[in-house]
Amino acid sequence: DTGVSQNPRHKITKRGQNVTFRCDPISEHNRLYWYRQTLGQGPEFLTYFQNEAQLEKSRLLSDRFSAERPKGSFSTLEIQRTEQGDSAMYLCASSLDVGARGGYTFGSGTRLTVV
Amino acid sequence: AQKVTQAQTEISVVEKEDVTLDCVYETRDTTYYLFWYKQPPSGELVFLIRRNSFDEQNEISGRYSWNFQKSTSSFNFTITASQVVDSAVYFCALRGRSSGSARQLTFGSGTQLTVLP
Repeated sequence: DTGVSQNPRHKITKRGQNVTFRCDPISEHNRLYWYRQTLGQGPEFLTYFQNEAQLEKSRLLSDRFSAERPKGSFSTLEIQRTEQGDSAMYLCASSLDVGARGGYTFGSGTRLTVV
Repeated sequence: AQKVTQAQTEISVVEKEDVTLDCVYETRDTTYYLFWYKQPPSGELVFLIRRNSFDEQNEISGRYSWNFQKSTSSFNFTITASQVVDSAVYFCALRGRSSGSARQLTFGSGTQLTVLP
């Protein structure tokens, strides 16, 4: 297991289309997080899973966004009816525990461009 | 509410110079955790350090050192004898312990460090 894997790395979509991103965390990590990063800014928290349960959602996560982690392993983030303001890097992270003594391990992200 | 401020947007240094990246944080939690991450052009955030609020000892790891001062709410990061490979965006982040802040990192806006050969 080499780390957190995210697919695709890049996605270009037309406004109004739906997109789905996938995150495969480190296998023994039961905590999973989604963040969004816009150009020149730090990542912003979107949502958090402990195993398959979604325990926290940011106000940034509008009703067009939905995240799942059906079996407590990989996770998907779907954006419906994309808007240009959704263009950003979407980062996934995982940790062994919420305290993250070893730090949160981030993936390389999915860069979304909405045209 | 939590907040992390990295006032230095961009820093350029010449190789072998020392450089300090500033981080100031705000939180109402009495227990909290501070992090530094490095983001190279590839985009992946690389974990550098995690520090508990009750441990004010400074830490050194090779060319990296961290100065945690609770009295001024600062957690500064120094790179000694900088190298071109240190060029990246560096983020300071904070995680609290209270409800709503315990499961998420609050990041600063980052400092772009460029080390010139």
